[in-house]
Amino acid sequence: DTAVSQTPKYLVTQMGNDKSIKCEQNLGHDTMYWYKQDSKKFLKIMFSYNNKELIINETVPNRFSPKSPDKAHLNLHINSLELGDSAVYFCASSQDIGAAGELFFGEGSRLTVL
Amino acid sequence: LAKTTQPISMDSYEGQEVNITCSHNNIATNDYITWYQQFPSQGPRFIIQGYKTKVTNEVASLFIPADRKSSTLSLPRVSLSDTAVYYCLVGAAGFDSNDYKLSFGAGTTVTVRA
Repeated sequence: DTAVSQTPKYLVTQMGNDKSIKCEQNLGHDTMYWYKQDSKKFLKIMFSYNNKELIINETVPNRFSPKSPDKAHLNLHINSLELGDSAVYFCASSQDIGAAGELFFGEGSRLTVL
Repeated sequence: LAKTTQPISMDSYEGQEVNITCSHNNIATNDYITWYQQFPSQGPRFIIQGYKTKVTNEVASLFIPADRKSSTLSLPRVSLSDTAVYYCLVGAAGFDSNDYKLSFGAGTTVTVRA
């Protein structure tokens, strides 16, 4: 059983389209995150949810909207895709909030915007 | 604001010990130091965590000097399968409004050669 699973693994789309990435964790964790990893390997936090409540919303364009229907799911919807959105997006979860807890990452979703 | 600084890359040979140092001059009293490993096309995974002195597990050792302004991840007798990107993350438990505490740097790409 995969602890943190993301779908789709690969996504190729045109500029201006809207797309979603889904994430599910079966670890029973209270906190979930979305990270963006660029071509230089920087892994930057985008959002964090704790018990379905948004607690971290970093300097991310409004085109990115996370949604957490329940504690086990955190989806990422992106409107009006731009070339600069091309990256690998990782979902993660942890039992507790913060960097001291162990983060469990999904396999990543590689988004390519043409 | 750069939270951690690591070398961009390191080369090694099978059977050697690899030591990666991470600088975190602004570490706070409540911060822990956590290291993650990322293989290509996978999400990062937890290796080891420490607060001070030395921590050892079956995979690695973590050395933290008394001032805690740096830490060194030590990988004993590396093999080809240890080729990966290694990240250090510094932060505390709980919610922190400083997003960089949950963002990783570019990591250190370790390449192990036969």
